[in-house]
Amino acid sequence: DAKTTQPPSMDCAEGRAANLPCNHSTISGNEYVYWYRQIHSQGPQYIIHGLKNNETNEMASLIITEDRKSSTLILPHATLRDTAVYYCIVRVATSGTYKYIFGTGTRLKVLA
Amino acid sequence: NAGVMQNPRHLVRRRGQEARLRCSPMKGHSHVYWYRQLPEEGLKFMVYLQKENIIDESGMPKERFSAEFPKEGPSILRIQQVVRGDSAAYFCASSPTSGVDNEQFFGPGTRLTVL
Repeated sequence: DAKTTQPPSMDCAEGRAANLPCNHSTISGNEYVYWYRQIHSQGPQYIIHGLKNNETNEMASLIITEDRKSSTLILPHATLRDTAVYYCIVRVATSGTYKYIFGTGTRLKVLA
Repeated sequence: NAGVMQNPRHLVRRRGQEARLRCSPMKGHSHVYWYRQLPEEGLKFMVYLQKENIIDESGMPKERFSAEFPKEGPSILRIQQVVRGDSAAYFCASSPTSGVDNEQFFGPGTRLTVL
């Protein structure tokens, strides 16, 4: 019942931008896109989220297409510590709150 | 402000035994979510609880699994008569409210191994 599709792995050179794509073609109008990452099987760490507009914070930028069927997470200057599995998540409403539907994630390896 | 706490971090059980996993949400958070992660897979939602209430258990297996979040104390995920297929990492998350911007904060997880 995954709502997102991501490439299984990507490499990125240290210091360069890492662009991680995600397809969510069945997303509904009120469902947000969230990005988390998981380093060494630790608990997932929040990165950024958005609905329609592009978003930027101190960690990353999120670009969402106008039709909302896909998005891209951008890490502007990747470091070795950014090596992790990155999950693109659709947040769906349920019983008065929201639950996360995780995809299978992209394993990003930042190379020295 | 301590983050979400889970214990034990590692748990080994033999087939047929019971496993109890504990989760203490962040201070001020009254919403708790449990997820399961099988090896090389993403996290799968299991159950959502508020204090003393199960709100959504659509991801819980129908048998052997139960969850609670009592008025006092941590949330407990209980697995009875464990089988090898229950071996996984179990993550708990908490959020302060059910509002639009209720980012979920995850704990470090409990890794269950069934021998």
